[in-house]
Amino acid sequence: KQEVTQIPAALSVPEGENLVLNCSFTDSAIYNLQWFRQDPGKGLTSLLLIQSSQREQTSGRLNASLDKSSGRSTLYIAASQPGDSATYLCAVRRGDTDKLIFGTGTRLQVFP
Amino acid sequence: NAGVMQNPRHLVRRRGQEARLRCSPMKGHSHVYWYRQLPEEGLKFMVYLQKENIIDESGMPKERFSAEFPKEGPSILRIQQVVRGDSAAYFCASSPIGDTQYFGPGTRLTVL
Repeated sequence: KQEVTQIPAALSVPEGENLVLNCSFTDSAIYNLQWFRQDPGKGLTSLLLIQSSQREQTSGRLNASLDKSSGRSTLYIAASQPGDSATYLCAVRRGDTDKLIFGTGTRLQVFP
Repeated sequence: NAGVMQNPRHLVRRRGQEARLRCSPMKGHSHVYWYRQLPEEGLKFMVYLQKENIIDESGMPKERFSAEFPKEGPSILRIQQVVRGDSAAYFCASSPIGDTQYFGPGTRLTVL
């Protein structure tokens, strides 16, 4: 059974810091991994999707890496801003199913 | 192209009543997924549907919950005889061919 864990559960940093959020999964037979952002009381916004054959994806100040063999992904946020404050979720998809298995999230607060 | 739409955004029901949650996928998307987010927990997969077919309902509670995606109209998640433990945020996602899932804003169900 696939389990997805995110560390840390919460993070509070001053503006301008570079951040690393971690996601680990127990079953390396994944189809892809996706990082989402969730604002309080809102839906999910997809940030980055990494296919199982890829090692990383970049979008602006965000970079996500994937090491399938070790069951790990990291989301790197450069030069954090208060607007980055949100909960960040990672989710994996297996090859034989379309459903996403979510981690419990990292709650990020960036203060000015 | 409008995003995934869910209504109502907030729903209050008394114990024993029925709750109907609606999801209109993005235009051109024929795959719909429902997820539930209990307070202080991560998102959990409930059901995956294509038009007029339930593909995977492995995450649906065995009783009181049902889902449909008719040929015409939105997908409906129906909860009969609601209990307090059903209070949660229910998210719908859609995808064109089982690829990236796009999430709606969610319906927040409160059972009194």
